[in-house]
Amino acid sequence: SQQGEEDPQALSIQEGENATMNCSYKTSINNLQWYRQNSGRGLVHLILIRSNEREKHSGRLRVTLDTSKKSSSLLITASRAADTASYFCATGGTGANSKLTFGKGITLSVRP
Amino acid sequence: EPEVTQTPSHQVTQMGQEVILRCVPISNHLYFYWYRQILGQKVEFLVSFYNNEISEKSEIFDDQFSVERPDGSNFTLKIRSTKLEDSAMYFCASRMTGGQTQPQHFGDGTRLSIL
Repeated sequence: SQQGEEDPQALSIQEGENATMNCSYKTSINNLQWYRQNSGRGLVHLILIRSNEREKHSGRLRVTLDTSKKSSSLLITASRAADTASYFCATGGTGANSKLTFGKGITLSVRP
Repeated sequence: EPEVTQTPSHQVTQMGQEVILRCVPISNHLYFYWYRQILGQKVEFLVSFYNNEISEKSEIFDDQFSVERPDGSNFTLKIRSTKLEDSAMYFCASRMTGGQTQPQHFGDGTRLSIL
């Protein structure tokens, strides 16, 4: 089954606007994480939200988690051109050594 | 800030050859992972490693693949006889503890190109 499916697949906004990205998943999770990937580079961890949390903030990032709907959203406020990247949600299962299951990612373009 | 480092950044290999991808996880981390990302596709889990043994492996991680932690710092992924479809970006990740509050930290990856 698919896990961690993001939408939209691509998002283009003007600098200063907010960007909202959504992620849905199918199985039970222990946490959900968002990562950023600049072209050709590695995955940079942005924020982790546990299954018993509903909202979390980190700087210009705000993530929400609705376990009843099996969905999460990532909001980037006051976007900058440097935020241009691919964003992935990844779900962590319930095992102590749990792997991450990634979605296909969202390509965010922030126009200067 | 401590980082996961991977070498080489790009590896070009002839089909059928063996390749070893190297990773140095963050020093106090205990859990280690390999993922791969075929161009334009999802990041896929390959294998997890803890306490000097494989904890979990995916269907992709067949007998051609192996992992090793030969010393206290390195974590390697070996592909014995590479195939064209092994061409991908390979990411190593590590995590401090097994608790679910700890994120996995990724290296910049090794781009493997099989000719």
